Amino acid sequence: AQSVTQPDIHITVSEGASLELRCNYSYGATPYLFWYVQSPGQGLQLLLKYFSGDTLVQGIKGFEAEFKRSQSSFNLRKPSVHWSDAAEYFCAVGDDSNYQLIWGAGTKLIIKP
Amino acid sequence: DGGITQSPKYLFRKEGQNVTLSCEQNLNHDAMYWYRQDPGQGLRLIYYSQIVNDFQKGDIAEGYSVSREKKESFPLTVTSAQKNPTAFYLCASAGTDRGNSPLHFGNGTRLTVT
Repeated sequence: AQSVTQPDIHITVSEGASLELRCNYSYGATPYLFWYVQSPGQGLQLLLKYFSGDTLVQGIKGFEAEFKRSQSSFNLRKPSVHWSDAAEYFCAVGDDSNYQLIWGAGTKLIIKP
Repeated sequence: DGGITQSPKYLFRKEGQNVTLSCEQNLNHDAMYWYRQDPGQGLRLIYYSQIVNDFQKGDIAEGYSVSREKKESFPLTVTSAQKNPTAFYLCASAGTDRGNSPLHFGNGTRLTVT
C-alpha cells in the first residue's frame, strides 16, 4: 500500500541549530515529493517539491530537501532555524496518474530560545 | 493578490444541523479539493473537483456533500449524517488535477459541533 511516514511527531530544536525532518515513503510509481508547512490555525504553504533531476532541491525560507531513491526518503533540512520556523511540517507524495496526494501525519517543530 | 478564501474562520453548530463552509478561489484553477484535518492524522480527502459541474468522492466523503457550479467556488456541506464533524477543514486548489500540480490552500475553517 502507498504510504508516507514521518517518524517524529514532535521535534525540539534550539534557535540557530540545524534541523532535519524525516520523511519515508512507500510508493509504486516514481513519485513527486512535496514538503508543506502549516502555522497554527492556518492553511498549508508549499516549501519545496521534487519531480525529477537534481536530487537536492531548494525551497523557500532557506529549506532544502534531498531525494534518496535507495532509501525511499525525502528529508527536509535547514542549516539554522529561526523562532519563526515553529510550525507543523507535512511531507506528501503523488504521481502523474493520481489526483490524490498521500500525506504524512506531520511533524511539529518546536524552537527553544 | 490571487488566493483562496475560506469563510468563516470559526463555525459553531448544534448537533443535527447541516452547515455549509465556503471556499472561493481567484487563481483560475481547474481543480479544487476539500480536506479534513484532525490532530495526528495528516490530511484526509473529502471531495475533489476537476472541472465545473463535476466532483468525486475522496476517502471520507460520507456525511458530506459539495457542489461546483462555478469554477471559482466549491462549497462543502457538512450534514447531520456526519458522525464526528468537529474538525479543521481545508480547501485547496491546483492548476490541474495531476500529481505534479502543487496545491494552494485556504486558511481553513474550524467547525465545532456540540
